[in-house]
Amino acid sequence: GAVVSQHPSWVICKSGTSVKIECRSLDFQATTMFWYRQFPKQSLMLMATSNEGSKATYEQGVEKDKFLINHASLTLSTLTVTSAHPEDSSFYICSAPSDRANTGELFFGEGSRLTVL
Amino acid sequence: SQKIEQNSEALNIQEGKTATLTCNYTNYSPAYLQWYRQDPGRGPVFLLLIRENEKEKRKERLKVTFDTTLKQSLFHITASQPADSATYLCALAGSSASKIIFGSGTRLSIRP
Repeated sequence: GAVVSQHPSWVICKSGTSVKIECRSLDFQATTMFWYRQFPKQSLMLMATSNEGSKATYEQGVEKDKFLINHASLTLSTLTVTSAHPEDSSFYICSAPSDRANTGELFFGEGSRLTVL
Repeated sequence: SQKIEQNSEALNIQEGKTATLTCNYTNYSPAYLQWYRQDPGRGPVFLLLIRENEKEKRKERLKVTFDTTLKQSLFHITASQPADSATYLCALAGSSASKIIFGSGTRLSIRP
């Protein structure tokens, strides 16, 4: 079945540094990918919609200059957390919609746990 | 504003029993509703989708109902097993499928 690969699965960085997370669709093309953030015992919060070949669409309250999204190809989207601070520590998950028409099914990556010291 | 409520943060039941999870929503008219399973530290995995014009959908030991009048979906796991222990997320999507909204999930524990 379709697989979305996310890397790295965990990262620890110092405050002020930038961290890049990659999301790849392995056996299908994804013109759209979604980036979520999840705090412990809470739901997935949609941060932005990544669009291949165009600018990402950010949800209200999400700083676009803080969370840079690039969708360089039909199989790769990246999220860069710039000048990371401890409050950016969270579980970040990407997803891509199924290429089967109108199923609405999302394939999720395994998530990336970011810890900012 | 749109709101999704999964009314139990946690549910603990005996192995072999049927687990029933509830998802209620307000201020939304979804074209379809989905259920996902999420294990700790992992991304969610799609389980079932039910459309607005469908009342019930089954897949193996899973059953989902969708009542657009009550704005509620019920998710059932029959003959539950300890391996079914996980967090289950309800998600709603409009017809464009461009944005999917998730509930906060119900943590299900099946005790042997």
